[in-house]
Amino acid sequence: GAVVSQHPSWVICKSGTSVKIECRSLDFQATTMFWYRQFPKKSLMLMATSNEGSKATYEQGVEKDKFLINHASLTLSTLTVTSAHPEDSSFYICSARSGGGNTEAFFGQGTRLTVV
Amino acid sequence: QKEVEQNSGPLSVPEGAIASLNCTYSDRGSQSFFWYRQYSGKSPELIMSIYSNGDKEDGRFTAQLNKASQYVSLLIRDSQPSDSATYLCAVPFSGGYNKLIFGAGTRLAVHP
Repeated sequence: GAVVSQHPSWVICKSGTSVKIECRSLDFQATTMFWYRQFPKKSLMLMATSNEGSKATYEQGVEKDKFLINHASLTLSTLTVTSAHPEDSSFYICSARSGGGNTEAFFGQGTRLTVV
Repeated sequence: QKEVEQNSGPLSVPEGAIASLNCTYSDRGSQSFFWYRQYSGKSPELIMSIYSNGDKEDGRFTAQLNKASQYVSLLIRDSQPSDSATYLCAVPFSGGYNKLIFGAGTRLAVHP
C-alpha cells in the first residue's frame, strides 16, 4: 500500500505551548487528508477533512481555532494544536487518500501528544 | 446521522478457528467499504476493501458485502494469535468529501 509518514511519533509539551504535527504522503499525491483523534480503548474520532488548497472542514464540536489544519500541497498536511492543555493529550492520527471519495485511505504512524 | 456500527467484543476464538466480524452502516449511498486492523498503540492498517456485493477473498481474509442489508463482514480463517487486534470497519459517506467514518471496532482475541 501507499506510505504515509507522520512526524513526530510522540511529543511532550508544556501547557500553553503549540505543537505542530506533520503528515506526508511519500509515494502518492494526497487529494484528501483526514485528521483523527483517539483516546485509549476508544475508536477514531474524525476531527477534520482537508483538501489541498482548500480550507479544512471540521467536524461538529472541534474548535478550528485550536486545531489549525493546513494542507498546502498534495503531499503535506499539518495539524497545529494551539495553546495546548492536558485535556488535549491524545493519540493523533492522519490518513491520506489519493483518489476520489471511494478509494482507500492510508494512515500515518500516529503522534502521541502529552501535555504537562 | 451517519453511522457505522460494530460489536465492540471482545470476540474470543481458539487458534485455527474462523473469526467473524460484522459491521452495519447507515448511508445507503456508500459505495466502498474498508476493514482496518489496529494493534494496541499503533495506527490502523488497511487489510481489505470491497466495492461490490458478494465475497472478496485475500489470503485468510474474506470480506462480504450486502448493500441491500447495509451489512459488511470480515472472516478470518485459520485464526492466529498474531491476528489479535481491534478490527475497524470504515465507510466513506456520500456527499461532500466522502469523509471516512469508522465504527467503534471489534476487539479480537485469538487464544492458543
